[in-house]
Amino acid sequence: KAGVTQTPRYLIKTRGQQVTLSCSPISGHRSVSWYQQTPGQGLQFLFEYFSETQRNKGNFPGRFSGRQFSNSRSEMNVSTLELGDSALYLCASSLDSLYGYTFGSGTRLTVV
Amino acid sequence: TQLLEQSPQFLSIQEGENLTVYCNSSSVFSSLQWYRQEPGEGPVLLVTVVTGGEVKKLKRLTFQFGDARKDSSLHITAAQPGDTGLYLCAGAMVEYGNKLVFGAGTILRVKS
Repeated sequence: KAGVTQTPRYLIKTRGQQVTLSCSPISGHRSVSWYQQTPGQGLQFLFEYFSETQRNKGNFPGRFSGRQFSNSRSEMNVSTLELGDSALYLCASSLDSLYGYTFGSGTRLTVV
Repeated sequence: TQLLEQSPQFLSIQEGENLTVYCNSSSVFSSLQWYRQEPGEGPVLLVTVVTGGEVKKLKRLTFQFGDARKDSSLHITAAQPGDTGLYLCAGAMVEYGNKLVFGAGTILRVKS
């Protein structure tokens, strides 16, 4: 079966711009989570969506937002990009988050 | 302060050696998951443990969950170069709404 698909794989943006990343979960998975991964901070939780509702949120500024659609696809948006937003953004889906996630390959965002 | 302390940060060993990676917290986990990540890819789930004292085996990998559900270990027997990668533990903690929190990871390099 198809895995978690994230698009695009690579992105270069300029400071001050905004960006939207997309995630298509495994069919049937209603829980979708987003993580930011950097060498210095590791994997940091951004937010989790379940059936179009945000169920959990990490400690990120309001410039980071997300949403989930009725078909469980999810998007995250980062506005007013800063150099420090450069990272690998990972999406993960699950039938039940307690039992483990399937991750996508990520979107590598570079802010210049 | 990391909610999940993972050690060691780096391990460089010879093929055939054994190793153990540790994951500790002061909080109780609803579940504890281990992932392996290769460069440029998302983490891949290895195992989920939910019951205190639980032991799971995956070929040469043995996972243990502490009786109090606050710690876990991953033991690899007779490591091979193909085991090289970043190993991550992740815990779902009730006091944090069961969001999945990741440790900083252990970079394992197995030399042939």
